[in-house]
Amino acid sequence: DSGVTQTPKHLITATGQRVTLRCSPRSGDLSVYWYQQSLDQGLQFLIQYYNGEERAKGNILERFSAQQFPDLHSELNLSSLELGDSALYFCASSARDRNDLGYGYTFGSGTRLTVV
Amino acid sequence: DQQVKQNSPSLSVQEGRISILNCDYTNSMFDYFLWYKKYPAEGPTFLISISSIKDKNEDGRFTVFLNKSAKHLSLHIVPSQPGDSAVYFCAASARWGDTGRRALTFGSGTRLQVQP
Repeated sequence: DSGVTQTPKHLITATGQRVTLRCSPRSGDLSVYWYQQSLDQGLQFLIQYYNGEERAKGNILERFSAQQFPDLHSELNLSSLELGDSALYFCASSARDRNDLGYGYTFGSGTRLTVV
Repeated sequence: DQQVKQNSPSLSVQEGRISILNCDYTNSMFDYFLWYKKYPAEGPTFLISISSIKDKNEDGRFTVFLNKSAKHLSLHIVPSQPGDSAVYFCAASARWGDTGRRALTFGSGTRLQVQP
């Protein structure tokens, strides 16, 4: 157990629907990162939050949004789902924000989203 | 456009031999490189890293080599053990503008199988 909890582990939904993925960071970590891993692709950075504020945005679609709550858990909202959104979605947390080199990332085990 | 590439999706080696995993990158702004290891049903975990000011970093059986002129890095595992069987992701880090913030860019991974 890495200390980063992602729920649900698996999700199957239909095209056009909306889903919410949840991430609880490791205790004490203030930064949360969301990554998407599609088939045969690397982990694509979507978005980062630090202590409730958006810090960095990667290749996140306009149909996707995220937020980090006062208790530091984060939610990734995916709407108007398409078949191509089927992927593994990973959340990672770290204690740091500025100059975080990445070795401090702790990943959750991911949510596998299947859009049918 | 994949900035971090792992061109070998899989690699099989015998126990006790050397495993060499390769990674190429295109963005000259990357100044910190990492390898992550991922077992099935788990998130990636940090393995070893190297700063761009070095050309080698060693940690036990794991050594990472960086060739900046070729924009190439490799991970050597000696000797390989069956427990090393996993997917290995190469990742690179660069600063975002003047913010000092960073994000990790991952390769697509190489699945290593160590045969007993």
